[in-house]
Amino acid sequence: QKEVEQNSGPLSVPEGAIASLNCTYSDRGSQSFFWYRQYSGKSPELIMSIYSNGDKEDGRFTAQLNKASQYVSLLIRDSQPSDSATYLCAVNIGGNNRLAFGKGNQVVVIP
Amino acid sequence: SQTIHQWPATLVQPVGSPLSLECTVEGTSNPNLYWYRQAAGRGLQLLFYSVGIGQISSEVPQNLSASRPQDRQFILSSKKLLLSDSGFYLCAWTGVLPYEQYFGPGTRLTVT
Repeated sequence: QKEVEQNSGPLSVPEGAIASLNCTYSDRGSQSFFWYRQYSGKSPELIMSIYSNGDKEDGRFTAQLNKASQYVSLLIRDSQPSDSATYLCAVNIGGNNRLAFGKGNQVVVIP
Repeated sequence: SQTIHQWPATLVQPVGSPLSLECTVEGTSNPNLYWYRQAAGRGLQLLFYSVGIGQISSEVPQNLSASRPQDRQFILSSKKLLLSDSGFYLCAWTGVLPYEQYFGPGTRLTVT
């Protein structure tokens, strides 16, 4: 079983709609969870971090964490063309601040 | 504020040639530092991480090596590049907040 899985294929959403991204992880001891946004040809940018069960909102982004189900999600409300990017889920593993990354989900926002 | 630099931005090297990529961090002290590789169409692969000067942990055995000669400097090297070494090399650091990693701009390496 992979440490972090993002199984959905490319996601196309119309402008103004909600984009929903999901991620599962294998280590029940993980305590820190992150979403990164990566534009084509650029490096990943940290957009959300979540440490407790429930929802965390930051602007148009909402991260949701359910440790019992080992599941973390990202919602993008009022999607904009500038949200078109690949979104990477990351989870802490082991010590020394190591993160495991999912392969990412590409989001395309259609004007 | 903290800033992370990587150079060069792009690099084209022949098979068998040596490699040296450099990463420096400004505005923080004693950061954890990381080297990742992102191959085309693949996820981020952790190559090395360092918790202090001279302390290097290797995640994947390969023909790459890393060194940390100064607190805020991290170097990725190879004596002989392989075609499979092509990819996007990213340096990252963590500071005060645990596990929050911030990436540099990256170096795109093409081995021909």
